Amino acid sequence: GNSVTQMEGPVTLSEEAFLTINCTYTATGYPSLFWYVQYPGEGLQLLLKATKADDKGSNKGFEATYRKETTSFHLEKGSVQVSDSAVYFCALSKTGFQKLVFGTGTRLLVSP
Amino acid sequence: DTGVSQNPRHKITKRGQNVTFRCDPISEHNRLYWYRQTLGQGPEFLTYFQNEAQLEKSRLLSDRFSAERPKGSFSTLEIQRTEQGDSAMYLCASSLATALAKNIQYFGAGTRLSVL
Repeated sequence: GNSVTQMEGPVTLSEEAFLTINCTYTATGYPSLFWYVQYPGEGLQLLLKATKADDKGSNKGFEATYRKETTSFHLEKGSVQVSDSAVYFCALSKTGFQKLVFGTGTRLLVSP
Repeated sequence: DTGVSQNPRHKITKRGQNVTFRCDPISEHNRLYWYRQTLGQGPEFLTYFQNEAQLEKSRLLSDRFSAERPKGSFSTLEIQRTEQGDSAMYLCASSLATALAKNIQYFGAGTRLSVL
């Protein structure tokens, strides 16, 4: 079946450090891929998405590239801020019109 | 800004009691999803509606769980004879499933259920 594997956290960084959170997936065909972010006490928010191979999703300085050959969708940011501290979830949707399958989430802690 | 609204935010109940949660989606969204999230895990799909029709149910949704979306607007999720294993965060999401809107799911803040 479809599944998503994320690197375990927490990831602890200093402000302005480079961020990578790894995400790999297992799915048949060409799923749509997403990163959602969950700030404390808030609901999940879509951070970025990509719907086909080699697409790059980007938002708020975060980027992720859909790599079909390595079945990966790693999240990156060049310079993190304290306000980026949150839990990040990688997810897929088989056709983009169906349910989301989530990874277990990666907690990011950024210190000043 | 009216996003997805879930009520109550917290529910504490005793084992064996019935509980009902409500989700109000973003206006005009035709799809509504329920997910369950336990501590340290990602959300897991439970069921979804397109308008008032329930189109898919997960095997996680035992016969003690029932969901409705009368008139294709708000939805309720009922759990009968609650068990301690039902303790989790129940998330609702809604989307506009058209070719243009691309079915982006918008999530509510969730209802946290604690079964004692």
